Amino acid sequence: EDQVTQSPEALRLQEGESSSLNCSYTVSGLRGLFWYRQDPGKGPEFLFTLYSAGEEKEKERLKATLTKKESFLHITAPKPEDSATYLCAVQGDNYGQNFVFGPGTRLSVLP
Amino acid sequence: GAGVSQSPRYKVAKRGQDVALRCDPISGHVSLFWYQQALGQGPEFLTYFQNEAQLDKSGLPSDRFFAERPEGSVSTLKIQRTQQEDSAVYLCASSLSGSGNTIYFGEGSWLTVV
Repeated sequence: EDQVTQSPEALRLQEGESSSLNCSYTVSGLRGLFWYRQDPGKGPEFLFTLYSAGEEKEKERLKATLTKKESFLHITAPKPEDSATYLCAVQGDNYGQNFVFGPGTRLSVLP
Repeated sequence: GAGVSQSPRYKVAKRGQDVALRCDPISGHVSLFWYQQALGQGPEFLTYFQNEAQLDKSGLPSDRFFAERPEGSVSTLKIQRTQQEDSAVYLCASSLSGSGNTIYFGEGSWLTVV
């Protein structure tokens, strides 16, 4: 069964304090690993898709990396507007088109 | 349209009432998904359509939940005889098609059953 765990559950950073969020996954035949950002009361907003180990993608202060067992979302010099819940999801061979989501990491960046 | 549109955004239903939630996907998107999200949790898969065909409904929690997409565009998620445990955010997402394609979410429909 495909599984996704995320750590930490919650993270508080000072503005400018860089850190990383972890997404560990178990999947049969990875088709894609996806990162989303979700603000309170909103739907998840797409950030990145990674397809194979070693792949990296960047967008502003965010950088996502992928290994065969986990993905990291690195946040460099975060700002208060980066505060949100970050969700990781995988799509594997076992469950058709189903995306399996992790519980998310709640990030708070304090000014 | 520019994004996935869902309505209503908020719905309060009395226990036992039937509700219908609507999703209008991104124009041209073949695949459509419904997810349920409880407070503080990640989205959980309910069902998946490719065009008008419902290819996977393994996540629907009971036979009170029913989804349709009759013309391969707009979809409706119907919940019959609502229970308190049905209170959640119902998210719709769409994608072009095929495996590995990114899915794009709407803002969700917040259902509270009282």
